[in-house]
Amino acid sequence: AQSVAQPEDQVNVAEGNPLTVKCTYSVSGNPYLFWYVQYPNRGLQFLLKYITGDNLVKGSYGFEAEFNKSQTSFHLKKPSALVSDSALYFCAVRDIGGTGRRALTFGSGTRLQVQP
Amino acid sequence: NAGVTQTPKFRVLKTGQSMTLLCAQDMNHEYMYWYRQDPGMGLRLIHYSVGEGTTAKGEVPDGYNVSRLKKQNFLLGLESAAPSQTSVYFCASAKREIYGYTFGSGTRLTVV
Repeated sequence: AQSVAQPEDQVNVAEGNPLTVKCTYSVSGNPYLFWYVQYPNRGLQFLLKYITGDNLVKGSYGFEAEFNKSQTSFHLKKPSALVSDSALYFCAVRDIGGTGRRALTFGSGTRLQVQP
Repeated sequence: NAGVTQTPKFRVLKTGQSMTLLCAQDMNHEYMYWYRQDPGMGLRLIHYSVGEGTTAKGEVPDGYNVSRLKKQNFLLGLESAAPSQTSVYFCASAKREIYGYTFGSGTRLTVV
């Protein structure tokens, strides 16, 4: 079975500081990993993904994420936070080697609050 | 290019009533999904489809049915609504899984 954990319900950071939103996953095979962002009263928007290749992936709005297989983590990062980055962030995983459902499993979400 | 369109956007149902949520995509995507979003629980998969005429159960399928008679449409039905089905429902589609999903804007359903 595939699962993903986002250990922090909320992350607070000052504008201009670096931010990290944590994600760990569990799969039986190899993972596809995704980050999505949700603004109030909106659907989820794709930020970035890891399928294969370089462990550091870059995505929209200056975000990046590092795939760490040994730690089964896929943390989202940004060097300098903006107030407009304040939103709800979801990590998601798909177990390619597993025999389970052919769909993404999402984490519980982390609310990012960037203070001016 | 509308992407993924969900109708209705809001609905209030009485316990025991039935309704159908419609999801339509104009991107010729093979895969379609229904998730529900509840506070602190993230998104949970209700049902999904890997192609026209196919459906499969997700994590929380009880009380829901789906149909994918046309490739562009994925319908979610509530046979007899219960207060526990109060939630925000999201539809998503994907051309291939490695491309990620495109989400609709959601349907906020309240069952009283």
